[in-house]
Amino acid sequence: QKEVEQDPGPLSVPEGAIVSLNCTYSNSAFQYFMWYRQYSRKGPELLMYTYSSGNKEDGRFTAQVDKSSKYISLFIRDSQPSDSATYLCAMILNTGNQFYFGTGTSLTVIP
Amino acid sequence: EAGVAQSPRYKIIEKRQSVAFWCNPISGHATLYWYQQILGQGPKLLIQFQNNGVVDDSQLPKDRFSAERLKGVDSTLKIQPAKLEDSAVYLCASSLMGFTEAFFGQGTRLTVV
Repeated sequence: QKEVEQDPGPLSVPEGAIVSLNCTYSNSAFQYFMWYRQYSRKGPELLMYTYSSGNKEDGRFTAQVDKSSKYISLFIRDSQPSDSATYLCAMILNTGNQFYFGTGTSLTVIP
Repeated sequence: EAGVAQSPRYKIIEKRQSVAFWCNPISGHATLYWYQQILGQGPKLLIQFQNNGVVDDSQLPKDRFSAERLKGVDSTLKIQPAKLEDSAVYLCASSLMGFTEAFFGQGTRLTVV
């Protein structure tokens, strides 16, 4: 079993839709959670960084962490064609080492 | 603030040849990571440095891969000899410390033929 599981998609939605991206993990020692966006032929760029359970909002993006269920989500409201990319979840253990990534979900927002 | 710089952007080599990649992290970032990203997969950690010391290299194929971070700043990753399955994007990332978010460079796309 992989440390971090993420549905690879691909996911295709119409412009303006609400998008939900999810990851599950098995190790309860993960304490820090991130979402990265990766455009084709580019390095990943950080979208959201959270430490505790609950929601964190930044513009059209909301990150949700449920440590009891070992489940994290990223919601994108009013999705735009420019949101078309691969979204990677990432987690760090409470030791500060071992930076784990999911496999990424490919998202296409259709105008 | 300047980002993580990597070079070269692209490299094509024949199998059994050697290759080296260079990374310059964001100024002041103590932690440096090298990742391998195969097409369609998430990045896989190869090695993590804290300053010039190795924190984690458990997934580095040490028979062919080596990395160093002299003086705790720039880093190089070397593959010798390369295999076809080494074709991937090699990403360098840096962070202030191990608990904080990492910032990535553009990556080096390696093709082994």
